[in-house]
Amino acid sequence: TQLLEQSPQFLSIQEGENLTVYCNSSSVFSSLQWYRQEPGEGPVLLVTVVTGGEVKKLKRLTFQFGDARKDSSLHITAAQPGDTGLYLCAGAQAGTYKYIFGTGTRLKVLA
Amino acid sequence: EAQVTQNPRYLITVTGKKLTVTCSQNMNHEYMSWYRQDPGLGLRQIYYSMNVEVTDKGDVPEGYKVSRKEKRNFPLILESPSPNQTSLYFCASSLNGGAPTTQYFGPGTRLTVL
Repeated sequence: TQLLEQSPQFLSIQEGENLTVYCNSSSVFSSLQWYRQEPGEGPVLLVTVVTGGEVKKLKRLTFQFGDARKDSSLHITAAQPGDTGLYLCAGAQAGTYKYIFGTGTRLKVLA
Repeated sequence: EAQVTQNPRYLITVTGKKLTVTCSQNMNHEYMSWYRQDPGLGLRQIYYSMNVEVTDKGDVPEGYKVSRKEKRNFPLILESPSPNQTSLYFCASSLNGGAPTTQYFGPGTRLTVL
């Protein structure tokens, strides 16, 4: 079974700070997605990266897929309290229709 | 409104009493999936379905059954629930199973097995 390890597990920062969340695996994924989950709700897709080395930006969020398609990072610039939530990465296993989710990073941004 | 619905949202039951959690989507999606979410373990895929009458195991299928008789519905069946199946369950659907596609998640079903 492929595993996706996320780090850090928990992150508490002040408003305005920058942060990076990592998602790592020893296996190759055909694509990787980042989701955000609010309490009491299901995850909501933020972005999908497909090509090794790909960088995507979504306002203050920057997502990168590793060159070897085994890892990804999420960078948030000038974090705001509205960014608080659980961030999950998810990889599509190459050659299958299965998805593997990371263990999640719980982010809290303090005003 | 495009959505994935699950019922019930909350369920407390006892060991061995068969139960079904329903999932329905109104987006004509081919791919549907069930996940369970446990603290420290993230979401783990239980079963998925590529289309009507086509289902396959995810990473944690033991103790669960599914069926896909209609495109819009994908019920999760626990024939004999046990306490280790206490968890938060999510149903998801996407246009197709070929990545990359957006998975749309339901609101979750919190199950407690006593």
